[in-house]
Amino acid sequence: AQRVTQPEKLLSVFKGAPVELKCNYSYSGSPELFWYVQYSRQRLQLLLRHISRESIKGFTADLNKGETSFHLKKPFAQEEDSAMYYCALRGAQKLVFGQGTRLTINP
Amino acid sequence: SAVISQKPSRDICQRGTSLTIQCQVDSQVTMMFWYRQQPGQSLTLIATANQGSEATYESGFVIDKFPISRPNLTFSTLTVSNMSPEDSSIYLCSAAVSGGNTIYFGEGSWLTVV
Repeated sequence: AQRVTQPEKLLSVFKGAPVELKCNYSYSGSPELFWYVQYSRQRLQLLLRHISRESIKGFTADLNKGETSFHLKKPFAQEEDSAMYYCALRGAQKLVFGQGTRLTINP
Repeated sequence: SAVISQKPSRDICQRGTSLTIQCQVDSQVTMMFWYRQQPGQSLTLIATANQGSEATYESGFVIDKFPISRPNLTFSTLTVSNMSPEDSSIYLCSAAVSGGNTIYFGEGSWLTVV
């Protein structure tokens, strides 16, 4: 079975501070992991995927198979980062989402 | 990439009625999916829409309540049947583009059942 856990429903940090959104997964096969973001009144959009090993909007995420984690990090938070963030796992074709973390960046 | 359009974007429905949501993708896709996002909740997969055959439903979702069609590679519909207030939700269409592993999402259809 596929399962994604985001332990924090809410996360609040100050502008300029580091951000880490936690994501842990459970999957018996080789997973594909993604972070999606949903800004206020906008559609869900892909932020980054582990295969690409890219940095988008200053965010990075590293797949740690030993800890079955895919935490999202940014060294210096910006106010425009305030949004809902979803970690997702794709295995056997379908995409399963975690519960989401609402990130609020305080000025 | 893919642009996914959904209609209607928003509707208010009477209890006991049914509503069909349409999803159109601007490019050929391999897989199409329907999700539900209830207020304050995450996305839950309803089913995978299979071209030319019956959809594959997730646990807790049945064809009688959520009939799905996918007549071709770029179009799918989801019907929410015999609606009750508990069906008030955002319904999202998503698709995986041919040759890629990214899944894209439509803007969602906000249904309110009164």
